[in-house]
Amino acid sequence: DAKTTQPPSMDCAEGRAANLPCNHSTISGNEYVYWYRQIHSQGPQYIIHGLKNNETNEMASLIITEDRKSSTLILPHATLRDTAVYYCIVRVLGSQGNLIFGKGTKLSVKP
Amino acid sequence: NAGVTQTPKFQVLKTGQSMTLQCAQDMNHEYMSWYRQDPGMGLRLIHYSVGAGITDQGEVPNGYNVSRSTTEDFPLRLLSAAPSQTSVYFCASSYSSGGTGVKDEQFFGPGTRLTVL
Repeated sequence: DAKTTQPPSMDCAEGRAANLPCNHSTISGNEYVYWYRQIHSQGPQYIIHGLKNNETNEMASLIITEDRKSSTLILPHATLRDTAVYYCIVRVLGSQGNLIFGKGTKLSVKP
Repeated sequence: NAGVTQTPKFQVLKTGQSMTLQCAQDMNHEYMSWYRQDPGMGLRLIHYSVGAGITDQGEVPNGYNVSRSTTEDFPLRLLSAAPSQTSVYFCASSYSSGGTGVKDEQFFGPGTRLTVL
């Protein structure tokens, strides 16, 4: 699986959009981009995933660049409960389920 | 559904003791795995299983054993605990989609916080 690069930390004002970047310049053609988050002391939680098209669900939007070398997770209206570590992971769909976690981005949503 | 459950929530062991961390899921998932998370770090894969009777090693398997006799349960055994095994342990499960288009989401348990003195 390819590696990813994320900023170690970011701040966001409550109610504003949080844009979390991820670089995955060595991604392969059959690798998807997944995002998970981990709220303090809890198990990670799946957010969204995509291959090359932009994706949106009830939690977030995922924007993937045309060359697929980077992506951005967007939380449209961040709340204090969105304070967490966000992990960007690339992997082949169904590839034995293994997830390779980096250190992620610590997002702090401030009032 | 209860999802993925783990017991115990907290455990303190002395060096050399053995114990089993329990993990169960009620979603009929084929795939289950164990991760450990050390302070300030991401999760690292210890062992995983793609179905009953099948297990394999992950990134950091030394000092741990697993077995998968049923679809629901995937216990992790520490054979002789060492201080280096002090960590938070997470169990996870998912469908094995094999590219069928299922979103392949992994569900994580609440974790077991283990301290080895």
